[in-house]
Amino acid sequence: GAGVSQSPSNKVTEKGKDVELRCDPISGHTALYWYRQRLGQGLEFLIYFQGNSAPDKSGLPSDRFSAERTGESVSTLTIQRTQQEDSAVYLCASSPQGNQPQHFGDGTRLSIL
Amino acid sequence: RKEVEQDPGPFNVPEGATVAFNCTYSNSASQSFFWYRQDCRKEPKLLMSVYSSGNEDGRFTAQLNRASQYISLLIRDSKLSDSATYLCVVNIASSASKIIFGSGTRLSIRP
Repeated sequence: GAGVSQSPSNKVTEKGKDVELRCDPISGHTALYWYRQRLGQGLEFLIYFQGNSAPDKSGLPSDRFSAERTGESVSTLTIQRTQQEDSAVYLCASSPQGNQPQHFGDGTRLSIL
Repeated sequence: RKEVEQDPGPFNVPEGATVAFNCTYSNSASQSFFWYRQDCRKEPKLLMSVYSSGNEDGRFTAQLNRASQYISLLIRDSKLSDSATYLCVVNIASSASKIIFGSGTRLSIRP
């Protein structure tokens, strides 16, 4: 069955460029989450969507980061003017409702040169 | 104090051994608890939910101690394939957004 799909799986870009990461959640899942995981470290919560609304953006590390979700489906995470410290794996997860276990995508491995 | 704390390990145990991890949480209003496993360079995957009465799934047993605010995971008869990082996950209060992942406990099973 279709799980959470993320694209691209890998992205290498130069410092200062903008990047856009995409997440297709499991169909029907209303809750969608973005996390960042640096090498050898734990998951860092970025943002949560309930439907198309983001009630909690507290994890976004700076105003260079933004995210949106449309049609209660696809979400994009945009990082503007990338910095080397943005290098990490960006993981998306979805769940049928909040409070329920999350299903993760394979992640996007972002490398900033 | 972190909201969710785990011993980072690594735990290095022989195949067939029993191993247990604890995870402590700071918010007494926490409502839902889960254990995930994450293999190297892979995404986290749900291992099991943790119920108030404790629950078992094959070789894995999860328990919740609300009074002391910790959850535990016990792995019996460990297999080489159990080698992974085990993440404790706590959902705080009724806000779905307050799902906190622990930093994980690394487990390595040796032949």
